[in-house]
Amino acid sequence: AQTVTQSQPEMSVQEAETVTLSCTYDTSESDYYLFWYKQPPSRQMILVIRQEAYKQQNATENRFSVNFQKAAKSFSLKISDSQLGDAAMYFCALGANDMRFGAGTRLTVKP
Amino acid sequence: GAGVSQSPSNKVTEKGKDVELRCDPISGHTALYWYRQSLGQGLEFLIYFQGNSAPDKSGLPSDRFSAERTGGSVSTLTIQRTQQEDSAVYLCASSPRRGENTEAFFGQGTRLTVV
Repeated sequence: AQTVTQSQPEMSVQEAETVTLSCTYDTSESDYYLFWYKQPPSRQMILVIRQEAYKQQNATENRFSVNFQKAAKSFSLKISDSQLGDAAMYFCALGANDMRFGAGTRLTVKP
Repeated sequence: GAGVSQSPSNKVTEKGKDVELRCDPISGHTALYWYRQSLGQGLEFLIYFQGNSAPDKSGLPSDRFSAERTGGSVSTLTIQRTQQEDSAVYLCASSPRRGENTEAFFGQGTRLTVV
């Protein structure tokens, strides 16, 4: 079975500051991908960043980066220079046999 | 089409009625997923299809829920004898092949309200 756990239901960050969202997962598969999705109030799911499990180098997309610890099965998302538009629900996802999501973290950005 | 299309976008139904939710995936995508999202909550996995086959149906909440996919394309999620606890947003996603190495592309969802 594949599971994804996000232990932070809500997080808050000051505009221009940095915030880290946590995610742990479990799978018996050796090949898999990990994703962070953003869901703004519009409800549309938007891919933020992806990480291939076989790659040791952490993925980076502009202000978004991940800390992938394969042995610990941990996959955290760091948002640098937070902007008001970053406010949303963030979901961690595991793509192995299928695609499973965590419960989400609601991020608030304070001006 | 250019993206995943779901219909209807909103559905209000009376308790006890049956409903059908439709998903048109991106052309050529072999994997298709259904999720349920209650207000402010996470994505609950319901079922996924690889082609027309559903290897794992264990996520369906009860035997009132069923899903099918025909021609490796359109999928329908059917809820029989709807209950108020079925009220949620039902999201569909597709990807070029089974989950491991490609992102899932999502539709806008169907908001189901059972009154």
